[in-house]
Amino acid sequence: ETGVTQTPRHLVMGMTNKKSLKCEQHLGHNAMYWYKQSAKKPLELMFVYNFKEQTENNSVPSRFSPECPNSSHLFLHLHTLQPEDSALYLCASSDPKGSGNEQFFGPGTRLTVL
Amino acid sequence: QQQVKQSPQSLIVQKGGIPIINCAYENTAFDYFPWYQQFPGKGPALLIAIRPDVSEKKEGRFTISFNKSAKQFSLHIMDSQPGDSATYFCAASIGNTDKLIFGTGTRLQVFP
Repeated sequence: ETGVTQTPRHLVMGMTNKKSLKCEQHLGHNAMYWYKQSAKKPLELMFVYNFKEQTENNSVPSRFSPECPNSSHLFLHLHTLQPEDSALYLCASSDPKGSGNEQFFGPGTRLTVL
Repeated sequence: QQQVKQSPQSLIVQKGGIPIINCAYENTAFDYFPWYQQFPGKGPALLIAIRPDVSEKKEGRFTISFNKSAKQFSLHIMDSQPGDSATYFCAASIGNTDKLIFGTGTRLQVFP
Protein backbone atom coordinates (compact mmCIF):
# COMPACT_ATOMS: atom_id res chain seq x y z
CA GLU A 1 0.00 0.00 0.00
CA THR A 2 1.19 3.52 -0.81
CA GLY A 3 -0.29 5.25 2.23
CA VAL A 4 -2.94 6.98 0.11
CA THR A 5 -6.48 5.60 0.30
CA GLN A 6 -9.47 6.51 -1.85
CA THR A 7 -13.16 5.81 -1.40
CA PRO A 8 -15.29 4.66 -3.01
CA ARG A 9 -13.32 2.45 -5.40
CA HIS A 10 -16.21 2.35 -7.88
CA LEU A 11 -19.06 4.81 -8.42
CA VAL A 12 -21.92 4.85 -10.88
CA MET A 13 -23.99 8.01 -10.99
CA GLY A 14 -26.62 9.67 -13.11
CA MET A 15 -26.11 13.05 -14.68
CA THR A 16 -28.32 14.75 -12.08
CA ASN A 17 -26.74 13.15 -9.00
CA LYS A 18 -24.38 14.74 -6.48
CA LYS A 19 -21.63 12.60 -5.07
CA SER A 20 -18.22 13.04 -3.43
CA LEU A 21 -14.90 11.25 -3.76
CA LYS A 22 -12.66 11.01 -0.71
CA CYS A 23 -8.90 10.76 -0.43
CA GLU A 24 -6.84 10.31 2.72
CA GLN A 25 -3.04 10.18 3.04
CA HIS A 26 -1.12 8.80 6.01
CA LEU A 27 2.31 9.97 4.90
CA GLY A 28 2.56 13.36 6.58
CA HIS A 29 2.67 15.11 3.21
CA ASN A 30 1.54 18.68 2.68
CA ALA A 31 0.65 18.60 -1.02
CA MET A 32 -2.31 16.71 -2.46
CA TYR A 33 -3.53 16.33 -6.05
CA TRP A 34 -6.50 15.18 -8.10
CA TYR A 35 -5.84 13.62 -11.51
CA LYS A 36 -8.19 12.30 -14.20
CA GLN A 37 -7.06 9.19 -16.07
CA SER A 38 -8.80 8.35 -19.35
CA ALA A 39 -7.85 5.61 -21.79
CA LYS A 40 -5.06 6.52 -24.23
CA LYS A 41 -4.64 9.99 -22.74
CA PRO A 42 -1.97 11.39 -20.42
CA LEU A 43 -2.88 11.72 -16.78
CA GLU A 44 -4.58 15.09 -16.51
CA LEU A 45 -3.78 17.17 -13.45
CA MET A 46 -6.99 18.73 -12.14
CA PHE A 47 -6.22 20.39 -8.81
CA VAL A 48 -3.26 20.90 -6.47
CA TYR A 49 -3.39 21.80 -2.80
CA ASN A 50 -0.35 22.89 -0.79
CA PHE A 51 -0.80 23.25 2.96
CA LYS A 52 -4.60 23.19 2.41
CA GLU A 53 -4.44 26.07 -0.11
CA GLN A 54 -5.41 25.47 -3.73
CA THR A 55 -2.42 26.33 -5.90
CA GLU A 56 -3.53 24.89 -9.22
CA ASN A 57 -6.83 24.63 -11.04
CA ASN A 58 -6.14 23.25 -14.48
CA SER A 59 -9.17 24.78 -16.23
CA VAL A 60 -11.46 22.19 -14.68
CA PRO A 61 -15.22 22.64 -15.23
CA SER A 62 -17.13 23.94 -12.22
CA ARG A 63 -19.12 20.69 -11.96
CA PHE A 64 -15.98 19.41 -10.19
CA SER A 65 -15.45 21.11 -6.83
CA PRO A 66 -12.45 20.22 -4.63
CA GLU A 67 -12.23 20.60 -0.87
CA CYS A 68 -9.18 20.22 1.36
CA PRO A 69 -10.17 20.56 5.04
CA ASN A 70 -6.70 19.57 6.30
CA SER A 71 -3.39 18.29 4.96
CA SER A 72 -4.48 14.66 5.21
CA HIS A 73 -7.86 14.77 3.49
CA LEU A 74 -8.99 15.79 0.03
CA PHE A 75 -12.46 15.61 -1.45
CA LEU A 76 -13.81 15.99 -4.97
CA HIS A 77 -17.47 16.97 -5.04
CA LEU A 78 -19.30 16.04 -8.23
CA HIS A 79 -22.58 17.43 -9.56
CA THR A 80 -24.39 17.40 -12.90
CA LEU A 81 -21.62 15.42 -14.56
CA GLN A 82 -21.54 14.41 -18.23
CA PRO A 83 -20.91 10.92 -19.65
CA GLU A 84 -17.48 12.10 -20.90
CA ASP A 85 -16.50 12.61 -17.26
CA SER A 86 -16.41 8.82 -16.85
CA ALA A 87 -12.80 7.97 -15.98
CA LEU A 88 -10.48 6.83 -13.21
CA TYR A 89 -9.93 9.64 -10.70
CA LEU A 90 -6.62 9.43 -8.91
CA CYS A 91 -5.52 11.19 -5.76
CA ALA A 92 -1.84 11.71 -4.98
CA SER A 93 0.28 13.34 -2.30
CA SER A 94 3.86 14.54 -2.04
CA ASP A 95 6.27 16.23 0.31
CA PRO A 96 7.18 19.56 -1.31
CA LYS A 97 10.24 19.85 0.89
CA GLY A 98 11.58 16.45 -0.09
CA SER A 99 14.13 15.84 -2.83
CA GLY A 100 12.62 15.42 -6.25
CA ASN A 101 8.91 15.49 -6.82
CA GLU A 102 7.81 11.91 -6.11
CA GLN A 103 4.06 11.67 -5.94
CA PHE A 104 2.35 8.80 -4.14
CA PHE A 105 -0.90 7.73 -5.76
CA GLY A 106 -3.98 6.10 -4.36
CA PRO A 107 -5.72 3.24 -6.21
CA GLY A 108 -8.29 5.56 -7.77
CA THR A 109 -12.07 5.76 -8.01
CA ARG A 110 -13.55 4.32 -11.20
CA LEU A 111 -16.40 6.71 -12.07
CA THR A 112 -19.14 5.90 -14.56
CA VAL A 113 -21.65 8.61 -15.47
CA LEU A 114 -24.82 7.32 -17.08
CA GLN B 1 5.71 22.84 -25.51
CA GLN B 2 4.44 21.34 -22.27
CA GLN B 3 3.82 17.93 -23.83
CA VAL B 4 5.73 14.74 -23.31
CA LYS B 5 5.36 12.35 -26.23
CA GLN B 6 5.58 8.64 -25.43
CA SER B 7 5.89 5.62 -27.70
CA PRO B 8 4.97 2.91 -28.39
CA GLN B 9 1.39 2.76 -27.13
CA SER B 10 1.73 -0.97 -26.49
CA LEU B 11 4.54 -3.51 -26.45
CA ILE B 12 4.61 -7.28 -26.33
CA VAL B 13 7.81 -9.16 -25.53
CA GLN B 14 8.79 -12.62 -24.42
CA LYS B 15 10.30 -13.32 -21.05
CA GLY B 16 13.97 -12.33 -21.05
CA GLY B 17 13.51 -9.72 -23.76
CA ILE B 18 14.50 -6.05 -23.37
CA PRO B 19 11.52 -3.77 -23.97
CA ILE B 20 12.39 -0.13 -24.63
CA ILE B 21 9.94 2.73 -24.14
CA ASN B 22 10.76 6.17 -25.52
CA CYS B 23 9.75 9.69 -24.53
CA ALA B 24 10.48 13.07 -26.09
CA TYR B 25 9.95 16.58 -24.80
CA GLU B 26 10.26 20.15 -26.06
CA ASN B 27 10.58 22.30 -22.96
CA THR B 28 14.30 22.61 -22.15
CA ALA B 29 13.40 23.88 -18.67
CA PHE B 30 12.35 20.36 -17.65
CA ASP B 31 14.93 18.97 -15.24
CA TYR B 32 13.30 15.97 -13.58
CA PHE B 33 12.23 12.90 -15.55
CA PRO B 34 10.51 10.09 -13.63
CA TRP B 35 9.00 6.85 -14.85
CA TYR B 36 5.88 5.50 -13.17
CA GLN B 37 4.60 1.91 -13.27
CA GLN B 38 0.89 1.13 -12.97
CA PHE B 39 -0.65 -2.31 -12.41
CA PRO B 40 -4.37 -2.92 -13.07
CA GLY B 41 -6.50 -1.70 -10.17
CA LYS B 42 -3.64 0.31 -8.68
CA GLY B 43 -2.43 3.86 -8.95
CA PRO B 44 0.89 4.69 -10.63
CA ALA B 45 4.02 4.21 -8.51
CA LEU B 46 7.45 5.79 -9.01
CA LEU B 47 9.83 3.30 -10.62
CA ILE B 48 12.98 5.31 -11.36
CA ALA B 49 13.86 8.94 -12.09
CA ILE B 50 16.73 10.87 -13.65
CA ARG B 51 17.98 14.44 -13.77
CA PRO B 52 19.75 15.84 -16.87
CA ASP B 53 23.19 15.97 -15.27
CA VAL B 54 23.66 12.24 -16.00
CA SER B 55 23.11 10.26 -19.21
CA GLU B 56 22.12 6.97 -17.60
CA LYS B 57 20.70 5.67 -14.36
CA LYS B 58 20.25 2.04 -13.42
CA GLU B 59 18.19 0.53 -10.63
CA GLY B 60 18.07 -3.24 -10.69
CA ARG B 61 16.77 -4.36 -14.08
CA PHE B 62 15.48 -0.88 -14.98
CA THR B 63 17.66 1.67 -16.78
CA ILE B 64 16.90 5.20 -17.94
CA SER B 65 18.94 6.54 -20.85
CA PHE B 66 18.87 10.32 -21.24
CA ASN B 67 19.89 12.30 -24.33
CA LYS B 68 19.80 15.98 -23.47
CA SER B 69 20.70 17.27 -26.95
CA ALA B 70 17.95 15.20 -28.57
CA LYS B 71 15.50 15.97 -25.74
CA GLN B 72 14.70 12.29 -25.40
CA PHE B 73 14.78 9.71 -22.64
CA SER B 74 13.96 6.04 -22.59
CA LEU B 75 13.29 3.18 -20.21
CA HIS B 76 14.96 -0.19 -20.75
CA ILE B 77 13.86 -3.29 -18.83
CA MET B 78 16.55 -5.95 -18.77
CA ASP B 79 15.62 -9.64 -18.55
CA SER B 80 11.91 -8.78 -18.55
CA GLN B 81 9.57 -10.96 -16.51
CA PRO B 82 5.81 -11.62 -16.70
CA GLY B 83 5.52 -9.66 -13.43
CA ASP B 84 6.73 -6.56 -15.30
CA SER B 85 3.48 -6.56 -17.31
CA ALA B 86 1.99 -3.15 -16.51
CA THR B 87 1.46 0.30 -17.97
CA TYR B 88 4.49 2.59 -17.88
CA PHE B 89 4.28 6.39 -17.89
CA CYS B 90 7.10 8.82 -18.44
CA ALA B 91 6.81 12.30 -16.99
CA ALA B 92 8.70 15.57 -16.71
CA SER B 93 8.71 18.56 -14.41
CA ILE B 94 10.64 21.72 -13.64
CA GLY B 95 12.55 21.84 -10.38
CA ASN B 96 10.53 20.85 -7.35
CA THR B 97 7.27 22.19 -8.74
CA ASP B 98 4.00 20.40 -8.16
CA LYS B 99 3.28 19.91 -11.82
CA LEU B 100 4.25 16.60 -13.44
CA ILE B 101 3.54 16.41 -17.18
CA PHE B 102 2.80 12.79 -18.08
CA GLY B 103 3.11 10.88 -21.34
CA THR B 104 0.20 8.83 -22.68
CA GLY B 105 1.47 5.52 -21.29
CA THR B 106 2.78 2.25 -22.74
CA ARG B 107 1.05 -1.01 -22.00
CA LEU B 108 3.71 -3.72 -21.69
CA GLN B 109 2.89 -7.42 -21.82
CA VAL B 110 5.62 -9.95 -21.09
CA PHE B 111 4.76 -13.51 -22.05
CA PRO B 112 6.41 -16.56 -20.44
